[in-house]
Amino acid sequence: KAGVTQTPRYLIKTRGQQVTLSCSPISGHRSVSWYQQTPGQGLQFLFEYFSETQRNKGNFPGRFSGRQFSNSRSEMNVSTLELGDSALYLCASSVGLAGGDSNEQFFGPGTRLTVL
Amino acid sequence: GDSVTQMEGPVTLSEEAFLTINCTYTATGYPSLFWYVQYPGEGLQLLLKATKADDKGSNKGFEATYRKETTSFHLEKGSVQVSDSAVYFCALASGGSYIPTFGRGTSLIVHP
Repeated sequence: KAGVTQTPRYLIKTRGQQVTLSCSPISGHRSVSWYQQTPGQGLQFLFEYFSETQRNKGNFPGRFSGRQFSNSRSEMNVSTLELGDSALYLCASSVGLAGGDSNEQFFGPGTRLTVL
Repeated sequence: GDSVTQMEGPVTLSEEAFLTINCTYTATGYPSLFWYVQYPGEGLQLLLKATKADDKGSNKGFEATYRKETTSFHLEKGSVQVSDSAVYFCALASGGSYIPTFGRGTSLIVHP
């Protein structure tokens, strides 16, 4: 069974631009969560989508948004990029909503975003 | 709110040494506890988990016991290998929220 895939793996943008990242979950998984990983803040939860609906949201500004399609694939968009948005963005999928006793999250390799 | 505190790294060991990475947590209710590992250039992988007090999670020679009385979930391995070099994350998921809360991660470097 194929794992979680994320595209692109690396991205370089300049301040003020916008970016869209893509995540394809494991087949049969309906939940996709997004995380931002930085050396300073560690791993921070952005949002979770389940059956095309945002179910949970972390403490990030409205510049960060996402969506999920009917095939469970998800995209994350960041508008008006800032230098501080440089990070590794990780996507994770699970069968049901993240967490809990049985809904283990499987992570993709991440997209490394650099904002210049 | 929920939080996870891990010992700061890097932890540097020689091959075959004993490993302990401390993890303590604060949570409402009775959370599930996890250890994830991140190898260079890769995403996180679930290493082991425990869902109730006194449970012991184990995998690939790593172990951790859910200690409710000390709110801890320390990761141990009796004999580390160079291939264990990675960043280790402690995490919890509580019943009130299904969003896992991660610690800051502890880097482990194992020398031959």
